[in-house]
Amino acid sequence: GQQLNQSPQSMFIQEGEDVSMNCTSSSIFNTWLWYKQEPGEGPVLLIALYKAGELTSNGRLTAQFGITRKDSFLNISASIPSDVGIYFCAGLWSSGNTPLVFGKGTRLSVIA
Amino acid sequence: GAGVSQSPRYKVAKRGQDVALRCDPISGHVSLFWYQQALGQGPEFLTYFQNEAQLDKSGLPSDRFFAERPEGSVSTLKIQRTQQEDSAVYLCASSSRDRGSTGELFFGEGSRLTVL
Repeated sequence: GQQLNQSPQSMFIQEGEDVSMNCTSSSIFNTWLWYKQEPGEGPVLLIALYKAGELTSNGRLTAQFGITRKDSFLNISASIPSDVGIYFCAGLWSSGNTPLVFGKGTRLSVIA
Repeated sequence: GAGVSQSPRYKVAKRGQDVALRCDPISGHVSLFWYQQALGQGPEFLTYFQNEAQLDKSGLPSDRFFAERPEGSVSTLKIQRTQQEDSAVYLCASSSRDRGSTGELFFGEGSRLTVL
């Protein structure tokens, strides 16, 4: 089946640093999304991308839909302690008949 | 509440027991999804409902897993004769649009199942 490869698997950063993580796929996706999950909670949508090459921001978060449609990245600027969590990329292969596929996540730890 | 509500939050079952997990989606949401999340993994798709119709159950791992949404609102995921490998967090998500339109899902907090 379709698989999404996320990297890095985990990262430890100092408060105030910028963060970059990415997601690649062997398949083309029509939609890329980034979710964040905190302990004991369900994933929460951060950013959705619908066009190849699209660059979208949500506060300190910026995500891009790769032009090959096989990758996406997420940047977090000036990290703060509440950015701690697991960040999942997710891809939707086509409209109508396929489920949303998730990567395995990037675990972010922020050291104050 | 305004969000997706799942119960129970935690369930411990002895191997071989049947369990039922409930999901109350956001009011008016037509699409409902069940995902399974093993420890340290991303969510994996189990099944999808559009209103009361189960349109996709391709992710259900075995015939011990059964889901229903009889009135197009609340859904129940039932696992019969639980096995240790069924231990996971079961996430329910809903959307106001049909599956193909968007991947923008609203997730519940999940039901953590531990099978001893």
